[in-house]
Amino acid sequence: AQSVTQPDIHITVSEGASLELRCNYSYGATPYLFWYVQSPGQGLQLLLKYFSGDTLVQGIKGFEAEFKRSQSSFNLRKPSVHWSDAAEYFCAVGAAGNTGKLIFGQGTTLQVKP
Amino acid sequence: GAVVSQHPSRVICKSGTSVKIECRSLDFQATTMFWYRQFPKKSLMLMATSNEGSKATYEQGVEKDKFLINHASLTLSTLTVTSAHPEDSSFYICSARVGSETQYFGPGTRLLVL
Repeated sequence: AQSVTQPDIHITVSEGASLELRCNYSYGATPYLFWYVQSPGQGLQLLLKYFSGDTLVQGIKGFEAEFKRSQSSFNLRKPSVHWSDAAEYFCAVGAAGNTGKLIFGQGTTLQVKP
Repeated sequence: GAVVSQHPSRVICKSGTSVKIECRSLDFQATTMFWYRQFPKKSLMLMATSNEGSKATYEQGVEKDKFLINHASLTLSTLTVTSAHPEDSSFYICSARVGSETQYFGPGTRLLVL
């Protein structure tokens, strides 16, 4: 069965430091992968997505993610974190069968220290 | 582009009443919309898939008679929580499917049932 795991429930980084949020997926074929960000009390905003092609994907707000098939991972990175990046981050994989459904990870809460 | 709105943003109602939540795609047409429920500090739980002009498809365990979904046009889907009870209090988020796999999310509706 398809699944998404975000091993880190909570991460704290200092402002200006680099960031990596982990995401592992279980999927039989080439997955459609997504990262979303959610600020408190808000909906989800799409940061980036991977469908095919270049395995390093650039997104909005200076984020990037790298698809590594051998590791079944799609980790999100940012070289220098800003205080406004504090939020909840969700990794998701598109479900099989062209239903358009997404399977979400449990989410990672990012806290940014001044 | 790809903006999704929800109305209302928050609603308080008495137990036993019904509440309708609207989800609109503002600058595109969406044949498929999704309704999610999110508990505090939890990931999103898919409730149902809403297809324009046809009956919604509900996920296992979701009561279709309690959560009525109508997708009457290519830009509007509604979720009606019938005979709401305090346990229905939650954050409800809709999304609209663009292309084959990408979902764009609304800002969410906070429902509190007293």
